[in-house]
Amino acid sequence: KQEVTQIPAALSVPEGENLVLNCSFTDSAIYNLQWFRQDPGKGLTSLLLIQSSQREQTSGRLNASLDKSSGRSTLYIAASQPGDSATYLCAVSPDNTDKLIFGTGTRLQVFP
Amino acid sequence: GAGVSQSPSNKVTEKGKDVELRCDPISGHTALYWYRQSLGQGLEFLIYFQGNSAPDKSGLPSDRFSAERTGGSVSTLTIQRTQQEDSAVYLCASSLVLLAGVLGEQFFGPGTRLTVL
Repeated sequence: KQEVTQIPAALSVPEGENLVLNCSFTDSAIYNLQWFRQDPGKGLTSLLLIQSSQREQTSGRLNASLDKSSGRSTLYIAASQPGDSATYLCAVSPDNTDKLIFGTGTRLQVFP
Repeated sequence: GAGVSQSPSNKVTEKGKDVELRCDPISGHTALYWYRQSLGQGLEFLIYFQGNSAPDKSGLPSDRFSAERTGGSVSTLTIQRTQQEDSAVYLCASSLVLLAGVLGEQFFGPGTRLTVL
């Protein structure tokens, strides 16, 4: 059974820091991996999608990497801002299925 | 165009009542998913529709839960005889299937917060 874990569960950093959020999954047979952010009381906003054949994706200050064989992904946020404060979720799509299996999330707070 | 929309945004109901939650996917998206997010369980998959294929119902927690998708667009999630443990935020998502076997990003709606008293 695929399990997705995110470390740390919570993170508080001063504005301007570069930071790394970690995601690990137990079964390397995945189709893709997606990173989301969720603001309090809101739905999920897709940040980056990495197909299983890819190693990384970049969007602005965000960079996500995927090491499928070791079951790991990282989300790198450069020059963090207070507006980055949210819960970050990673999710994998198991091979040959279409559902997403979500991690437990990392709650990020960036203070001025 | 518009994103995924869901209605109602909030629903309070009494234990034992039936509820219907609605999802309007992004126009042209052939795949539609329902998830729920509760405090104790995190985000969990419920059901998936893709085109005319039989839906994947493997995540439905009991036979009180059902969903349909009419005309390949709007979907309704129905919970019969609601229980307090059904209280959660129900999220809908849609995506394009880019090529045979290649899945696009899932885009989520704002969710329906269900409270069962």
